[in-house]
Amino acid sequence: DIVMTQSPTSMSISVGDRVTMNCKASQNVGSNVDWYQQKTGQSPKLLIYKASNRYTGVPDRFTGSGSGTDFTFTISNMQAEDLAVYYCMQSNSYPYTFGAGTKLELK
Amino acid sequence: QVQLKESGPGLVQPSETLSLTCTVSGFSLTSYSVSWVRQPSGKGPEWMGRMWYDGDTAYNSALKSRLSISRDTSKNQVFLKMNSLQTDDTGTYYCTRDGATEVSWFAYWGQGTLVTVSS
Repeated sequence: DIVMTQSPTSMSISVGDRVTMNCKASQNVGSNVDWYQQKTGQSPKLLIYKASNRYTGVPDRFTGSGSGTDFTFTISNMQAEDLAVYYCMQSNSYPYTFGAGTKLELK
Repeated sequence: QVQLKESGPGLVQPSETLSLTCTVSGFSLTSYSVSWVRQPSGKGPEWMGRMWYDGDTAYNSALKSRLSISRDTSKNQVFLKMNSLQTDDTGTYYCTRDGATEVSWFAYWGQGTLVTVSS
């Protein structure tokens, strides 16, 4: 199975910060990485698909990049409503696998 | 609008079988694929398997021997059955829908149903 390693595990941030997190695949997954946001007590929500495509209605402060094994997710201007855990997932091959998440907390 | 809703028992005895139903609305199961994803409390999600729009299925190899996914298109329902449950099967179980036909990102999620495996 492909292992998705996310870093950092958590980040202490302030409103207005630029936030960058990473996801590394244990083997080449092309551009088949998606990013999900999960707020406490809620279902995950799709933000980015195929590495860099913003899903419908997602604010443009969220961006994704990367290919192969290294992927990056950025929030350009952190808002309070962005506090959540962010997961990457590879959908290049079965079984699809998720990272363990990066949790954003207020400083 | 697109909706998915999971239902099933909240408590299952160890070694018993889990049966969950995902009831969908706003789309056809013959046009979109539905996956099951589970998540232990405080951990990352785990993809369990998928019912393709054409009726084909795919399973996580780690669960394949215990897992079965089926559907009833006339009732707009997708079913999950998993046997030999253990305590580490405890978690929230979600059904999800792909963003479009033949894509693999999960654009829609149900609210999830909490399953506790305990005697």
